[in-house]
Amino acid sequence: NAGVTQTPKFRVLKTGQSMTLLCAQDMNHEYMYWYRQDPGMGLRLIHYSVGEGTTAKGEVPDGYNVSRLKKQNFLLGLESAAPSQTSVYFCASSSDRPSISPLHFGNGTRLTVT
Amino acid sequence: KQEVTQIPAALSVPEGENLVLNCSFTDSAIYNLQWFRQDPGKGLTSLLLIQSSQREQTSGRLNASLDKSSGRSTLYIAASQPGDSATYLCAVKNPGANSKLTFGKGITLSVRP
Repeated sequence: NAGVTQTPKFRVLKTGQSMTLLCAQDMNHEYMYWYRQDPGMGLRLIHYSVGEGTTAKGEVPDGYNVSRLKKQNFLLGLESAAPSQTSVYFCASSSDRPSISPLHFGNGTRLTVT
Repeated sequence: KQEVTQIPAALSVPEGENLVLNCSFTDSAIYNLQWFRQDPGKGLTSLLLIQSSQREQTSGRLNASLDKSSGRSTLYIAASQPGDSATYLCAVKNPGANSKLTFGKGITLSVRP
């Protein structure tokens, strides 16, 4: 049982380049989330999805776009990378029973923008 | 706006000690509170989830308590081991259609052999 899988694990981009981070979950979860984790800032929500075909903005959405075309996949896109987007990105998922369902995380993507 | 605080940021204890990690939150209207463990270079692993109607949850050597009225939770680790060394984060889920989590910044625990 793979759980939540993120690809790639590491990436170095130059300022202005674009890329897509892929998150896949095999638990049939409705809810999926993208977080970024920075030293001293903790985990901050970028975008989230409450079901296939739906997306919504989180706490720090600027500079990112997302898509949820299939229930099991949640893609995070950076259209024009900036050094401020250097971070570790985590995808997470949960079922649609928010009071009792824990969050399951992937192992993260470490992104460096030079 | 919900705020979650974990103090201290780091803790070092000798092996075998029983220890308590604290978490406080400002808005008591929560669905649940979760404790996570994060090892270096890894994602977060859910340890315990306490629903708003519950007072505590236990798993092995771990016990988490919740006092909604005072906005506090504690994670108790019995007989600590070097393998418990990690960062421990708490997070609260607030009511609402999106059910987002608000995270604390974590406590980095080091258990010395």
